[in-house]
Amino acid sequence: DAKTTQPPSMDCAEGRAANLPCNHSTISGNEYVYWYRQIHSQGPQYIIHGLKNNETNEMASLIITEDRKSSTLILPHATLRDTAVYYCIVHSNDYKLSFGAGTTVTVRA
Amino acid sequence: KAGVTQTPRYLIKTRGQQVTLSCSPISGHRSVSWYQQTPGQGLQFLFEYFSETQRNKGNFPGRFSGRQFSNSRSEMNVSTLELGDSALYLCASGPGQGNTEAFFGQGTRLTVV
Repeated sequence: DAKTTQPPSMDCAEGRAANLPCNHSTISGNEYVYWYRQIHSQGPQYIIHGLKNNETNEMASLIITEDRKSSTLILPHATLRDTAVYYCIVHSNDYKLSFGAGTTVTVRA
Repeated sequence: KAGVTQTPRYLIKTRGQQVTLSCSPISGHRSVSWYQQTPGQGLQFLFEYFSETQRNKGNFPGRFSGRQFSNSRSEMNVSTLELGDSALYLCASGPGQGNTEAFFGQGTRLTVV
Protein backbone atom coordinates (compact mmCIF):
# COMPACT_ATOMS: atom_id res chain seq x y z
CA ASP A 1 0.00 0.00 0.00
CA ALA A 2 1.13 3.54 -0.70
CA LYS A 3 2.48 5.59 2.18
CA THR A 4 0.77 8.72 3.41
CA THR A 5 2.05 11.91 5.01
CA GLN A 6 -0.03 13.91 7.48
CA PRO A 7 0.76 16.82 9.78
CA PRO A 8 1.30 15.55 13.33
CA SER A 9 -1.22 17.85 14.95
CA MET A 10 -3.70 20.63 14.42
CA ASP A 11 -6.10 22.72 16.48
CA CYS A 12 -9.59 23.71 15.51
CA ALA A 13 -12.21 25.98 17.06
CA GLU A 14 -15.51 24.40 17.97
CA GLY A 15 -18.14 25.08 15.34
CA ARG A 16 -15.60 25.84 12.62
CA ALA A 17 -14.61 23.59 9.75
CA ALA A 18 -11.53 21.43 10.20
CA ASN A 19 -9.51 20.69 7.07
CA LEU A 20 -7.11 17.77 7.42
CA PRO A 21 -4.58 17.33 4.60
CA CYS A 22 -2.96 14.10 3.46
CA ASN A 23 -0.30 13.44 0.84
CA HIS A 24 -0.20 10.11 -0.97
CA SER A 25 1.97 10.75 -3.98
CA THR A 26 2.68 7.05 -4.69
CA ILE A 27 -0.96 5.97 -4.77
CA SER A 28 -1.71 3.40 -7.46
CA GLY A 29 -4.74 3.15 -9.68
CA ASN A 30 -6.68 0.58 -7.65
CA GLU A 31 -6.04 2.10 -4.24
CA TYR A 32 -8.68 4.03 -2.38
CA VAL A 33 -8.15 6.81 0.13
CA TYR A 34 -9.67 5.97 3.50
CA TRP A 35 -9.99 8.04 6.61
CA TYR A 36 -10.38 6.61 10.10
CA ARG A 37 -10.27 8.26 13.46
CA GLN A 38 -9.40 6.97 16.90
CA ILE A 39 -10.74 8.55 20.02
CA HIS A 40 -8.49 7.92 22.98
CA SER A 41 -7.97 4.19 23.62
CA GLN A 42 -10.94 3.11 21.52
CA GLY A 43 -10.84 1.16 18.28
CA PRO A 44 -10.44 3.17 15.06
CA GLN A 45 -13.68 4.30 13.49
CA TYR A 46 -14.26 4.50 9.76
CA ILE A 47 -15.12 7.99 8.49
CA ILE A 48 -15.16 8.05 4.69
CA HIS A 49 -13.37 6.77 1.62
CA GLY A 50 -13.04 7.61 -2.07
CA LEU A 51 -11.26 6.71 -5.27
CA LYS A 52 -11.33 9.74 -7.55
CA ASN A 53 -14.45 11.75 -6.93
CA ASN A 54 -15.21 13.91 -3.95
CA GLU A 55 -17.35 12.16 -1.37
CA THR A 56 -19.64 13.34 1.40
CA ASN A 57 -21.46 11.54 4.17
CA GLU A 58 -23.05 12.50 7.45
CA MET A 59 -19.68 12.75 9.16
CA ALA A 60 -17.38 14.46 6.70
CA SER A 61 -16.41 15.36 3.16
CA LEU A 62 -13.43 14.03 1.25
CA ILE A 63 -11.77 16.08 -1.47
CA ILE A 64 -9.30 14.23 -3.68
CA THR A 65 -7.11 16.15 -6.12
CA GLU A 66 -7.38 15.35 -9.79
CA ASP A 67 -3.95 13.66 -9.86
CA ARG A 68 -4.95 11.72 -6.70
CA LYS A 69 -1.68 12.57 -5.01
CA SER A 70 -3.31 14.33 -2.09
CA SER A 71 -6.63 14.66 -0.33
CA THR A 72 -8.37 16.70 2.35
CA LEU A 73 -10.82 15.53 4.95
CA ILE A 74 -13.28 18.21 5.95
CA LEU A 75 -15.20 18.12 9.23
CA PRO A 76 -17.78 20.82 8.49
CA HIS A 77 -18.67 21.87 12.02
CA ALA A 78 -16.17 20.49 14.50
CA THR A 79 -17.36 19.62 18.00
CA LEU A 80 -15.42 18.71 21.11
CA ARG A 81 -16.29 15.07 20.43
CA ASP A 82 -14.28 15.26 17.19
CA THR A 83 -11.05 15.49 19.20
CA ALA A 84 -9.17 12.38 18.07
CA VAL A 85 -6.28 11.03 16.02
CA TYR A 86 -7.20 11.00 12.34
CA TYR A 87 -5.58 8.50 10.04
CA CYS A 88 -5.38 8.79 6.27
CA ILE A 89 -4.76 5.36 4.75
CA VAL A 90 -4.39 4.30 1.17
CA HIS A 91 -5.33 0.69 0.51
CA SER A 92 -7.01 -1.70 -1.84
CA ASN A 93 -8.50 -4.09 0.67
CA ASP A 94 -10.13 -4.10 4.08
CA TYR A 95 -7.86 -6.51 5.87
CA LYS A 96 -4.29 -5.25 6.03
CA LEU A 97 -4.20 -1.59 6.87
CA SER A 98 -0.94 0.34 7.22
CA PHE A 99 -1.43 3.06 9.78
CA GLY A 100 0.95 5.98 10.00
CA ALA A 101 1.17 8.34 12.95
CA GLY A 102 -1.95 10.25 11.92
CA THR A 103 -2.95 13.80 12.82
CA THR A 104 -3.94 14.60 16.38
CA VAL A 105 -6.85 17.00 16.12
CA THR A 106 -7.78 19.03 19.17
CA VAL A 107 -11.06 20.90 19.04
CA ARG A 108 -11.12 23.83 21.44
CA ALA A 109 -14.20 25.47 22.91
CA LYS B 1 -26.32 -5.29 13.78
CA ALA B 2 -23.86 -6.11 16.55
CA GLY B 3 -20.37 -4.71 16.20
CA VAL B 4 -17.01 -6.38 16.63
CA THR B 5 -16.66 -7.78 20.13
CA GLN B 6 -13.34 -8.34 21.84
CA THR B 7 -12.88 -10.11 25.14
CA PRO B 8 -11.57 -9.55 27.67
CA ARG B 9 -11.32 -5.76 27.69
CA TYR B 10 -8.48 -5.68 30.19
CA LEU B 11 -5.89 -8.24 31.17
CA ILE B 12 -2.88 -8.31 33.45
CA LYS B 13 -0.32 -11.08 33.00
CA THR B 14 3.11 -11.89 34.31
CA ARG B 15 6.24 -12.18 32.18
CA GLY B 16 6.64 -15.68 30.79
CA GLN B 17 2.95 -16.49 30.85
CA GLN B 18 0.80 -16.89 27.78
CA VAL B 19 -2.45 -15.17 26.90
CA THR B 20 -5.38 -15.76 24.57
CA LEU B 21 -7.54 -12.93 23.26
CA SER B 22 -10.85 -13.38 21.50
CA CYS B 23 -12.60 -11.51 18.70
CA SER B 24 -16.12 -12.01 17.38
CA PRO B 25 -16.59 -10.31 14.01
CA ILE B 26 -19.69 -8.70 12.59
CA SER B 27 -22.11 -11.33 11.40
CA GLY B 28 -21.35 -12.29 7.81
CA HIS B 29 -17.77 -11.04 7.84
CA ARG B 30 -15.21 -13.69 6.96
CA SER B 31 -12.03 -11.71 7.50
CA VAL B 32 -10.56 -10.90 10.89
CA SER B 33 -7.36 -8.87 11.26
CA TRP B 34 -5.36 -8.23 14.40
CA TYR B 35 -3.35 -5.14 15.26
CA GLN B 36 -1.05 -4.16 18.10
CA GLN B 37 -0.98 -0.56 19.27
CA THR B 38 1.79 0.80 21.48
CA PRO B 39 2.78 4.41 22.19
CA GLY B 40 6.15 3.91 20.53
CA GLN B 41 5.22 1.92 17.42
CA GLY B 42 1.65 3.00 16.78
CA LEU B 43 -0.82 0.64 15.13
CA GLN B 44 0.90 -2.37 13.59
CA PHE B 45 -0.65 -5.18 11.60
CA LEU B 46 -0.19 -8.63 13.16
CA PHE B 47 -2.05 -11.06 10.90
CA GLU B 48 -5.29 -11.65 9.08
CA TYR B 49 -7.50 -14.71 8.82
CA PHE B 50 -10.01 -15.40 6.10
CA SER B 51 -12.20 -18.50 6.09
CA GLU B 52 -10.10 -20.17 8.78
CA THR B 53 -6.80 -19.62 6.92
CA GLN B 54 -4.07 -17.15 7.71
CA ARG B 55 -3.87 -15.03 4.60
CA ASN B 56 -1.55 -12.23 5.63
CA LYS B 57 1.08 -11.87 8.28
CA GLY B 58 2.92 -8.87 9.68
CA ASN B 59 6.44 -8.70 11.01
CA PHE B 60 6.03 -10.16 14.48
CA PRO B 61 7.86 -13.06 16.16
CA GLY B 62 6.43 -16.55 16.24
CA ARG B 63 5.26 -16.05 19.83
CA PHE B 64 2.29 -14.30 18.29
CA SER B 65 -0.15 -16.69 16.69
CA GLY B 66 -3.79 -16.90 15.87
CA ARG B 67 -6.58 -18.98 14.51
CA GLN B 68 -10.03 -18.61 13.13
CA PHE B 69 -12.99 -20.89 13.68
CA SER B 70 -15.69 -21.96 11.26
CA ASN B 71 -18.04 -19.29 12.65
CA SER B 72 -15.36 -16.65 11.81
CA ARG B 73 -14.57 -15.95 15.46
CA SER B 74 -10.86 -15.54 15.94
CA GLU B 75 -8.38 -15.90 18.76
CA MET B 76 -4.84 -14.67 19.05
CA ASN B 77 -2.30 -16.13 21.40
CA VAL B 78 0.89 -14.67 22.73
CA SER B 79 3.28 -17.08 24.43
CA THR B 80 6.18 -16.34 26.75
CA LEU B 81 5.00 -12.82 27.42
CA GLU B 82 7.51 -10.00 27.58
CA LEU B 83 7.12 -6.56 29.12
CA GLY B 84 7.16 -5.08 25.61
CA ASP B 85 4.02 -6.99 24.72
CA SER B 86 2.01 -4.59 26.86
CA ALA B 87 -0.29 -2.94 24.35
CA LEU B 88 -3.79 -2.41 23.10
CA TYR B 89 -4.70 -5.31 20.84
CA LEU B 90 -7.34 -4.52 18.27
CA CYS B 91 -9.19 -6.73 15.90
CA ALA B 92 -11.06 -5.66 12.81
CA SER B 93 -13.52 -7.51 10.65
CA GLY B 94 -14.62 -7.12 7.07
CA PRO B 95 -15.93 -9.08 4.13
CA GLY B 96 -12.32 -9.58 3.07
CA GLN B 97 -13.04 -9.48 -0.61
CA GLY B 98 -12.43 -6.04 -1.94
CA ASN B 99 -12.55 -2.40 -1.14
CA THR B 100 -14.62 -1.78 1.91
CA GLU B 101 -14.11 -0.32 5.32
CA ALA B 102 -12.76 -2.29 8.27
CA PHE B 103 -14.78 -2.42 11.45
CA PHE B 104 -12.77 -2.36 14.65
CA GLY B 105 -13.52 -3.66 18.10
CA GLN B 106 -12.81 -1.72 21.29
CA GLY B 107 -9.64 -3.65 21.91
CA THR B 108 -8.08 -5.64 24.72
CA ARG B 109 -5.67 -3.76 26.93
CA LEU B 110 -2.90 -6.18 27.93
CA THR B 111 -0.48 -5.27 30.68
CA VAL B 112 2.52 -7.51 31.30
CA VAL B 113 4.17 -7.11 34.70
